[in-house]
Amino acid sequence: DTEVTQTPKHLVMGMTNKKSLKCEQHMGHRAMYWYKQKAKKPPELMFVYSYEKLSINESVPSRFSPECPNSSLLNLHLHALQPEDSALYLCASSQDRQSYSYEQYFGPGTRLTVT
Amino acid sequence: GQSLEQPSEVTAVEGAIVQINCTYQTSGFYGLSWYQQHDGGAPTFLSYNALDGLEETGRFSSFLSRSDSYGYLLLQELQMKDSASYFCAVPSGNTPLVFGKGTRLSVIA
Repeated sequence: DTEVTQTPKHLVMGMTNKKSLKCEQHMGHRAMYWYKQKAKKPPELMFVYSYEKLSINESVPSRFSPECPNSSLLNLHLHALQPEDSALYLCASSQDRQSYSYEQYFGPGTRLTVT
Repeated sequence: GQSLEQPSEVTAVEGAIVQINCTYQTSGFYGLSWYQQHDGGAPTFLSYNALDGLEETGRFSSFLSRSDSYGYLLLQELQMKDSASYFCAVPSGNTPLVFGKGTRLSVIA
């Protein structure tokens, strides 16, 4: 199973809402990533979890809050977002962060619209 | 810091060969990755070069020259389904993977 799943596929939320994005992988990967991608732009790294611990936060605003409940799951909690946060949010995983981060497996993404 | 340069758009004919170049500037180079992303889809890993030379995987090949800070992705026997964006990517500092701006490949009949 080389699949990373993400739910929901689409999400529309108001600026006062709280929502969560979910990501799951069953490849036994020990590194998981959140990326943000705007239209016609490359993915931009937001967070990295390595062995279920947050190892990188790329200066992401606190209205985005990641969580890694176990080695297979990754959540991104959203609160008080701004319209400019509208984007495709991609989850990815790799065997580990040190040696295999060059080969990441991406989920299909959640298309988020903030109104 | 790092910078990655790749052409923004390339158009090629079905059945032809196309080369997508990538030049990079980064401190502490470890290797160059390539990803493919179809419109509305997820990025998919294509290849990784840590050493100089050519790596071949089916119709796709990737080349690296560390001395020139340069690599390319070669797509042979182009098919319509190869129309997609292609990103080169490198580790940079503490960031596991930083993507170039992407090359949009259009394959025409």
